[in-house]
Amino acid sequence: SQTIHQWPATLVQPVGSPLSLECTVEGTSNPNLYWYRQAAGRGLQLLFYSVGIGQISSEVPQNLSASRPQDRQFILSSKKLLLSDSGFYLCAWTFLSGGPNEKLFFGSGTQLSVL
Amino acid sequence: KQEVTQIPAALSVPEGENLVLNCSFTDSAIYNLQWFRQDPGKGLTSLLLIQSSQREQTSGRLNASLDKSSGRSTLYIAASQPGDSATYLCAVSRRSNDYKLSFGAGTTVTVRA
Repeated sequence: SQTIHQWPATLVQPVGSPLSLECTVEGTSNPNLYWYRQAAGRGLQLLFYSVGIGQISSEVPQNLSASRPQDRQFILSSKKLLLSDSGFYLCAWTFLSGGPNEKLFFGSGTQLSVL
Repeated sequence: KQEVTQIPAALSVPEGENLVLNCSFTDSAIYNLQWFRQDPGKGLTSLLLIQSSQREQTSGRLNASLDKSSGRSTLYIAASQPGDSATYLCAVSRRSNDYKLSFGAGTTVTVRA
């Protein structure tokens, strides 16, 4: 079966410091990978998605970047964190089988507090 | 741009009462709709997926309906239990190779024992 791992679970970082959040998927190959951010009381905002190694699409302009160095690894980064980067970050994956029954599976999330 | 709205934002009911959660979306050209459950500080767990050609899906005490033409979905939870307390989010997808979902802000449910 497939599993998704996301770490760390919580992170407190000072403004201006770098960020690296990692997500890996096991038990599948060629997954579509996603980074979402969830602000309190709001829906999930899609930040980045990737359909393959080295292929990254950004949904909104921001202080963050993403990379996919391996098929099942997705990394969210920042060179200098801003206060507005605080939030709950979720990694997700799906396998596109070509049918309408595809589900999105989420990691356990990282609560980032920028102080 | 697809907009997904969930009303109410919060709901508190006594144990045993049936729950009705609403989701509306502005663009009816969806591929599928999913209902998720999220516990505090945790990731999302998919509960039900309704394909655009379907009208409802059932899993145990959960039943989700879809009226694509009116842009509405409803999640029914029968005989609620304290363990059903969580935030429930709906999300719709469009037909594309990237499979991006648009999420509502969720309904936070509290079931009182």
